Amino acid sequence: NAGVMQNPRHLVRRRGQEARLRCSPMKGHSHVYWYRQLPEEGLKFMVYLQKENIIDESGMPKERFSAEFPKEGPSILRIQQVVRGDSAAYFCASSPGASSFYEQYFGPGTRLTVT
Amino acid sequence: AQSVTQLDSQVPVFEEAPVELRCNYSSSVSVYLFWYVQYPNQGLQLLLKYLSGSTLVKGINGFEAEFNKSQTSFHLRKPSVHISDTAEYFCAVSDRGGTASKLTFGTGTRLQVTL
Repeated sequence: NAGVMQNPRHLVRRRGQEARLRCSPMKGHSHVYWYRQLPEEGLKFMVYLQKENIIDESGMPKERFSAEFPKEGPSILRIQQVVRGDSAAYFCASSPGASSFYEQYFGPGTRLTVT
Repeated sequence: AQSVTQLDSQVPVFEEAPVELRCNYSSSVSVYLFWYVQYPNQGLQLLLKYLSGSTLVKGINGFEAEFNKSQTSFHLRKPSVHISDTAEYFCAVSDRGGTASKLTFGTGTRLQVTL
């Protein structure tokens, strides 16, 4: 049973370009969470999605960031016009349900470097 | 709002010595508590979780943690560490109930085990 898949593992973008990060949840999981880890910091919640629905985006920056989880295919975190401060590790997690006590399974992360 | 404080950013310890990693939390509602481990350039792996019941929770790799409601703490312990335990450890909380299942993380404690 494959775990949470994220690609690419490493992504380099120049300032002003767009970054697309993909996350395929574990089989049978319909809930996806995105977290960002800045250097020397813990993970910060960004957004929580179910298939075709954004449930909680309270951690998403107001501009340039968007997320989707279509009916078919992976969840996508999109960052437009990247800036140096977007350089971070972005982790996706999935769970089988919405309740707090369901364990969130984390992917290996995408490390974004903005030059 | 919730917050998690991990007082020690780094903990050096010799192999086979005991270790305690401290975690305190603040929340206006009841929470579930988690400890995750992150090895270099990898995603997070769940070590253990407290949902209810016994306040002493045993996890993988010989780790255990004790929930202390009066002190709002959830310290992680291991009686004898191994070189392979060298990693970053994160304490996290989430709300009980509802759909507010996002995790709030501490800033992490780097455990460095040496011979």
